[in-house]
Amino acid sequence: QLQLQESGPGLVKPSETLSLTCTVSGDSISSNNYYWGWVRQPPGKGLEWIGSISYSGSSYYNPSLKSRVTISVDTSENHFSLKVNSVTAADTAVYYCARPLSNGNYAYWGQGTLVTVS
Amino acid sequence: QSALTQPASVSASPGQSITISCTGTNSDVGAYKFVSWYQQHPGTAPKLVIYDVTNRPSGVSNRFSGSKSGSTASLTISGLQAEDEADYYCSSFTNSGTFVFGTGTKVTVL
Repeated sequence: QLQLQESGPGLVKPSETLSLTCTVSGDSISSNNYYWGWVRQPPGKGLEWIGSISYSGSSYYNPSLKSRVTISVDTSENHFSLKVNSVTAADTAVYYCARPLSNGNYAYWGQGTLVTVS
Repeated sequence: QSALTQPASVSASPGQSITISCTGTNSDVGAYKFVSWYQQHPGTAPKLVIYDVTNRPSGVSNRFSGSKSGSTASLTISGLQAEDEADYYCSSFTNSGTFVFGTGTKVTVL
């Protein structure tokens, strides 16, 4: 059964770097050409797509975040990671990692992790 | 990229049908079949209910259906039930290789 689990600090200071990892079980990141994604949701607000990455390292980013975001993949550890630098209070959100059912959507989601910038 | 436009809220009585619109541009909704819809209950992760404009994932009720005309996609929920009360978001692939979500719609079952 496919499971995704986000992990990382729940509290980050302003101007520092937010770092999260999504550990995948029940599937191998390198066994297909899916684009594994990150999505965030500020408290009480809507969903925002952050970016995605394939097993080969090919990545795409939200233009509004591109200058501060890096997504990487480690196929040996079967996880992918998110870094957001120079964070502000506006980066406070629940961060989700997700996998498509087929490219173009996200069918499998982690439970989400709240990151507070303060 | 700008968020896709959805109505803030829609409400109806049990058993009725509702339709939620999702308006984009010729660079996203109007250009690709990769339009998806997500249902999100409070405190939980989003759930995919429609993908590729009209397809339902396994296990999703056939009361959910999707369509698209030009740059506007729509989600219809027929035979509305109390459990359908949730937030709904559309999403589309864009011509930049990125994704964009809609502004979200709160569905209330009266």
